[in-house]
Order: sequence, then C-alpha cells, then structure tokens
Amino acid sequence: NAGVTQTPKFRVLKTGQSMTLLCAQDMNHEYMYWYRQDPGMGLRLIHYSVGEGTTAKGEVPDGYNVSRLKKQNFLLGLESAAPSQTSVYFCASSPSRGNQPQHFGDGTRLSIL
Amino acid sequence: GQSLEQPSEVTAVEGAIVQINCTYQTSGFYGLSWYQQHDGGAPTFLSYNALDGLEETGRFSSFLSRSDSYGYLLLQELQMKDSASYFCVGNTGGFKTIFGAGTRLFVKA
Repeated sequence: NAGVTQTPKFRVLKTGQSMTLLCAQDMNHEYMYWYRQDPGMGLRLIHYSVGEGTTAKGEVPDGYNVSRLKKQNFLLGLESAAPSQTSVYFCASSPSRGNQPQHFGDGTRLSIL
Repeated sequence: GQSLEQPSEVTAVEGAIVQINCTYQTSGFYGLSWYQQHDGGAPTFLSYNALDGLEETGRFSSFLSRSDSYGYLLLQELQMKDSASYFCVGNTGGFKTIFGAGTRLFVKA
C-alpha cells in the first residue's frame, strides 16, 4: 500500500543546478499538488494538476515548472536552483473535486548551497 | 488577500481537552480542513467541514461557522502522541488550498 511516493528523499544542490522531483501515486487520484514548507510555516502551494496533461499555478509558482504526462506521476522541476528554494517539498494527491482529503508523500528535503 | 489565523502554540495536560481555533479571510471559501503533522513527518488528514456545524471522528471533532469565518479543532482525552503541529486549511474554490501557519500542541504528562 504505497500511497504517494516521493523521490529523492534528500538532495543537496549548488546554486544554478537543475533537478526534478518525482511524485508517484497508486490510488488513481485525479488531482495532484506540489507544496513547499519552510521552517515554522504552513505548506504553500506551488503548482497543481486536475488531471493527466493539465497543470496550473498555485500560490508560489515562480522558479518551478511541472508536468503531468501520466496520471500517476507529477514532476516538479527546478531549472536553476537558488538558495531561496531550500525547503521541504511535499507532494499530495486527492480523489475528489472538493480536494479533500489530500494524501501526502513523506517529503523531499532539498538544500541549495 | 487570503489567510488563516491560528495560535502558534498550545500546551495541555494528558487526558485533558484542548481546542485550537482558526479564523480565516478568504474569498470563494468552500470549507475548512484540519491536518496533523509530527516533526519530520508528512501532514495527515484529520477532518473536513464543508458545511456549518460539528464533525466528529473518534477523539477529534471539528467545527465550522461560515458566517463567523471561524472554525476549531477539538481534541479530547489527550495523549502524549497528540503532540504535533495542527494546520487549518482553507479550500478556496477551484482546486487551491491555503494552509494556516500551524499550531504546535505540547501535551504534558
């Protein structure tokens, strides 16, 4: 019963490097989300997807791109990493239009030097 | 703008009852959810109020008053394992969600 799986779990990057975070869900959910969480704060929505082939901007989309080529996968890309993007990134999926409940992955801890 | 306000910290004794309040300012509000997050862990869903009133799930209850832009999470029979951060989350229509900054609950023996 995997649920939502995020890879990698940890990563350290240098400023200017690029990388892709992968989120995979096995629950056949239509809706998927990428969030970032900074110390002492709640989660902030970066991008989301309402179905295969669709993506939309959330609250803090700048510096990130996403793709949803397959229903079960939602990729988050950083084209040119900046220290301000040091954060914990969470992926979530939801089965319903009301987008609750959301099922979260364990997170990716990303440090950018 | 859209925001949710909740206390930053709450301390309570094991076995007691604690209430965590949440007030919000959002447009196109479609309901309030609550999530629990232990240190180093992922948020886990606790409850969702789409309509006014009380929702009960075991030791946890959640309340919503849309006319007052207010909700709360009630935790009964507190256990040490309830020590965690609790987030109220506003569903603002479409598919966007807005998280509050979280309330850190400390349960003392």
